[in-house]
Amino acid sequence: DAGVIQSPRHEVTEMGQEVTLRCKPISGHDYLFWYRQTMMRGLELLIYFNNNVPIDDSGMPEDRFSAKMPNASFSTLKIQPSEPRDSAVYFCASSFLARQGSTEAFFGQGTRLTVV
Amino acid sequence: QKEVEQNSGPLSVPEGAIASLNCTYSDRVSQSFFWYRQYSGKSPELIMSIYSNGDKEDGRFTAQLNKASQYVSLLIRDSQPSDSATYLCAVNIGRDDKIIFGKGTRLHILP
Repeated sequence: DAGVIQSPRHEVTEMGQEVTLRCKPISGHDYLFWYRQTMMRGLELLIYFNNNVPIDDSGMPEDRFSAKMPNASFSTLKIQPSEPRDSAVYFCASSFLARQGSTEAFFGQGTRLTVV
Repeated sequence: QKEVEQNSGPLSVPEGAIASLNCTYSDRVSQSFFWYRQYSGKSPELIMSIYSNGDKEDGRFTAQLNKASQYVSLLIRDSQPSDSATYLCAVNIGRDDKIIFGKGTRLHILP
């Protein structure tokens, strides 16, 4: 398996523009997580899905952020309008419910977003 | 109180010595605990998972869990320069499946 695939790897956009980040989870995984990483705040959970259904979006910072998972193999994270403080590395991760009843998340390569 | 806490470091350890990384968590019902390693500019990669009290060994790595003290640690034996990275502690919070990360400890192995 190719692992979790994210695109684009790098995105530079102007303030006010819409940004869409994409993620293809590992086939067979039923959980998908979106994280944001900054030096100041570390790795923050934004939202996660189980079987394509959003379970917890309490980490989404503002209404400018939205995420969808239309099917088991694709998810998007959209920021509209983008602001400079949104600059960060955004990671997508996927996992499956292991026998222990837990999930071990596997990460994509991340999207480095810069909003100027 | 933050959900998952780690000392940010940097922690400097001589090559060949044991590196000890620590993590505390706030939710008593958490059941699953993970250690990830992240090299600069790369994504986190899973090193160890632990679910029961006690020790779990995998090669040079040992994870230790003490649920009563809400404490989990990672020991790296025979530290190598290639172990220099940021180590992230992660915990599932409550009875949910969401995984929350600490801010990480930067480890530097001195040649």
